[in-house]
Amino acid sequence: DQQVKQNSPSLSVQEGRISILNCDYTNSMFDYFLWYKKYPAEGPTFLISISSIKDKNEDGRFTVFLNKSAKHLSLHIVPSQPGDSAVYFCAGGTSYGKLTFGQGTILTVHP
Amino acid sequence: NAGVTQTPKFQVLKTGQSMTLQCAQDMNHEYMSWYRQDPGMGLRLIHYSVGAGITDQGEVPNGYNVSRSTTEDFPLRLLSAAPSQTSVYFCASSKDRTTYEQYFGPGTRLTVT
Repeated sequence: DQQVKQNSPSLSVQEGRISILNCDYTNSMFDYFLWYKKYPAEGPTFLISISSIKDKNEDGRFTVFLNKSAKHLSLHIVPSQPGDSAVYFCAGGTSYGKLTFGQGTILTVHP
Repeated sequence: NAGVTQTPKFQVLKTGQSMTLQCAQDMNHEYMSWYRQDPGMGLRLIHYSVGAGITDQGEVPNGYNVSRSTTEDFPLRLLSAAPSQTSVYFCASSKDRTTYEQYFGPGTRLTVT
């Protein structure tokens, strides 16, 4: 039972356009949701998070939206840059700091 | 600060061998965890610790042991390696269990033949 799903294995966008990465979850007990970015041969790095009691959080070019009724969250990157090309993981967090990750989406931003 | 460090970066084992993956952090974080990353599976939690002397199982604990004798170190032991344990292993830490942002190490790529 995959509690967090990223149904798009890959996404390709043009530089300057918007990138939208999607994530669905089934566990209603998640307190927080996070997005991590991962470059090859490196560990994931934290990008942005959102509490389960909010519906939007913004940090510069990155915005995360949460739709609790649909159990869906999305990450918007505007404008997209070639350096944003990486694997993006969404994760749900419960008590004791345990994170449950999705499978990841490979984002490619073309110059 | 070095952050979260992991050794070795690469390791090849034969089936049945044992080894320890090392993880250390210098941020005085209470919470530490081990994940494995497999293609199409994302990162899955193996074991975690909310403080020195306290460990618990995650989603995929079988075949792995951990201990936490100090705040800084959280080694992961493979008791008898199996090909199914071929994976990339990441150690992570956070300030405490209520802090969801975790800092990850660079990973150890393990191959079991």
